[in-house]
Amino acid sequence: NAGVTQTPKFQVLKTGQSMTLQCAQDMNHEYMSWYRQDPGMGLRLIHYSVGAGITDQGEVPNGYNVSRSTTEDFPLRLLSAAPSQTSVYFCASSGKTAGDYNEQFFGPGTRLTVL
Amino acid sequence: GNSVTQMEGPVTLSEEAFLTINCTYTATGYPSLFWYVQYPGEGLQLLLKATKADDKGSNKGFEATYRKETTSFHLEKGSVQVSDSAVYFCALTRTGYSTLTFGKGTMLLVSP
Repeated sequence: NAGVTQTPKFQVLKTGQSMTLQCAQDMNHEYMSWYRQDPGMGLRLIHYSVGAGITDQGEVPNGYNVSRSTTEDFPLRLLSAAPSQTSVYFCASSGKTAGDYNEQFFGPGTRLTVL
Repeated sequence: GNSVTQMEGPVTLSEEAFLTINCTYTATGYPSLFWYVQYPGEGLQLLLKATKADDKGSNKGFEATYRKETTSFHLEKGSVQVSDSAVYFCALTRTGYSTLTFGKGTMLLVSP
């Protein structure tokens, strides 16, 4: 299993450009999430999905769109990049269990710089 | 809402020293609690977890006990190594939910 994969690893954009960050998992997990990591801020939830066709907003959704057409993929779209979106982006997935928690598996991250 | 507060770093220790990183939380209901570790240039890895009060999570010499009365989940290790240098995140998730609320992270630097 490759686990959670993210592409690209690094990206530089100019203000106003659009792009899509890719995330895929091969563990047949129902739940997928996007977080951004900023210095001194920890990780903050952008959007999440509890299954194909279902998405919802997290703590910091503005400026980002998501869709979940398949169980495996959960792309994050930046519609018009702004310098405030310079960050490291992590995708995570977890499976439904009968227990009290769902362990989340994280991808390696995408480091995005917006000039 | 849910929130996690952890001590600010960096925490600088010599090899074989005792480590404590404090974590307290605010949550409705009965959350599950986690410690994640991020090594330089990498993503996050689950270090340990606890799902109910008085549970002790442990892994790789690290331990943390879920204290409901003090809403705390402090991370401890008796003897740190240089290879433990990383950023440590305390996090919680509510039962039945799939997303995590993180603390801001604590950088640990261990010198030989």
